[in-house]
Amino acid sequence: DAKTTQPTSMDCAEGRAANLPCNHSTISGNEYVYWYRQIHSQGPQYIIHGLKNNETNEMASLIITEDRKSSTLILPHATLRDTAVYYCIVTRANDYKLSFGAGTTVTVRA
Amino acid sequence: DAMVIQNPRYQVTQFGKPVTLSCSQTLNHNVMYWYQQKSSQAPKLLFHYYDKDFNNEADTPDNFQSRRPNTSFCFLDIRSPGLGDAAMYLCATSRASGQGTYEQYFGPGTRLTVT
Repeated sequence: DAKTTQPTSMDCAEGRAANLPCNHSTISGNEYVYWYRQIHSQGPQYIIHGLKNNETNEMASLIITEDRKSSTLILPHATLRDTAVYYCIVTRANDYKLSFGAGTTVTVRA
Repeated sequence: DAMVIQNPRYQVTQFGKPVTLSCSQTLNHNVMYWYQQKSSQAPKLLFHYYDKDFNNEADTPDNFQSRRPNTSFCFLDIRSPGLGDAAMYLCATSRASGQGTYEQYFGPGTRLTVT
């Protein structure tokens, strides 16, 4: 699976959009980008995934660049409950295993 | 609500004393996973069951074993816990069919302390 690079940490203001970048420059054509998050002392939670098109669900939006070498997870209106470690994971289609990297610690401040 | 349940949430065991952690799911997913997460680290996959087939990760110590008696339940056995095995143990499930992409659903974890 392709490696991902994420900033170690970032802060954002409550009520503002949070934009979380992820680099995956060695991604292959059949690899998907997944985002999970882990709130303190809880299990990870699936957020969203995509292949090449932008995706949106009730939690977030995923923007993937045209060359697919990077992506951005957007939390449109961050709340204090969005404070968590966010993991960007690249994995092949039909691969049902995840390999977690270090992730980005996001702190939402009032 | 369909969910992944882990019991107990907190477990204290003594050095070298076998311990079993349990996981159950109401999602009827065919794949169940066990992850180990040490303090300030990312979750690390130990092994998983795809239906009844057990799949061990190459670097999982022999001290760790698992059982899956039926679709709903999966157990993690640590035969002789060492101080280095203190961690959060996470159970997850997914529905895999050989096609498509698979979200994993995680339980709340069991925090294991070894004294």
